[in-house]
Amino acid sequence: SQTIHQWPATLVQPVGSPLSLECTVEGTSNPNLYWYRQAAGRGLQLLFYSVGIGQISSEVPQNLSASRPQDRQFILSSKKLLLSDSGFYLCAWSPGLAGGHPFYEQYFGPGTRLTVT
Amino acid sequence: GESVGLHLPTLSVQEGDNSIINCAYSNSASDYFIWYKQESGKGPQFIIDIRSNMDKRQGQRVTVLLNKTVKHLSLQIAATQPGDSAVYFCAENRGSIRGSYIPTFGRGTSLIVHP
Repeated sequence: SQTIHQWPATLVQPVGSPLSLECTVEGTSNPNLYWYRQAAGRGLQLLFYSVGIGQISSEVPQNLSASRPQDRQFILSSKKLLLSDSGFYLCAWSPGLAGGHPFYEQYFGPGTRLTVT
Repeated sequence: GESVGLHLPTLSVQEGDNSIINCAYSNSASDYFIWYKQESGKGPQFIIDIRSNMDKRQGQRVTVLLNKTVKHLSLQIAATQPGDSAVYFCAENRGSIRGSYIPTFGRGTSLIVHP
């Protein structure tokens, strides 16, 4: 079965510090990967998505970046955090054309709660 | 479009009542819709889906209705239980990347079930 991991679960960082959040998927190959941010009491905002290694598409201009160094690894980074970067960060995956699942559905990780102080 | 900047509407119900959560979508070309449930502090989880060639689909205690004429989607939960308390999101598919769709999420509705 497929599983998705995110770490850390919670993070408190000062303004101006760097950020690195990691997401890994197990049990599937060549997934599509997504990063979302969710502010408290708000909806989901798509930040980045990736259809393959080294292929990143950005949905919202910001001081965040994403990378996909391996097929099942997706990293969200920032060089200098802002207060407005606080939120709940969710990684998700979905199968591509080669997947055996209904490929419209996304599977979400447990999330990382980021507080920028 | 996405309403990520708006506070979530809230629906309060008594345990045992039926709940109806509504969602308006924007793209008349969307062909697939999903309802997700997000419990506090967790990622969203799939509940039920429906394709645009259907008007209704039933699962266990849940029913999704699709009205394409007015671009409206609803999730009905029968005999609501305290464990149903969560935020519910609808998602529509607005485009395709390599066979997998990039969903547009609705603003979400917070369901509170009172014992």
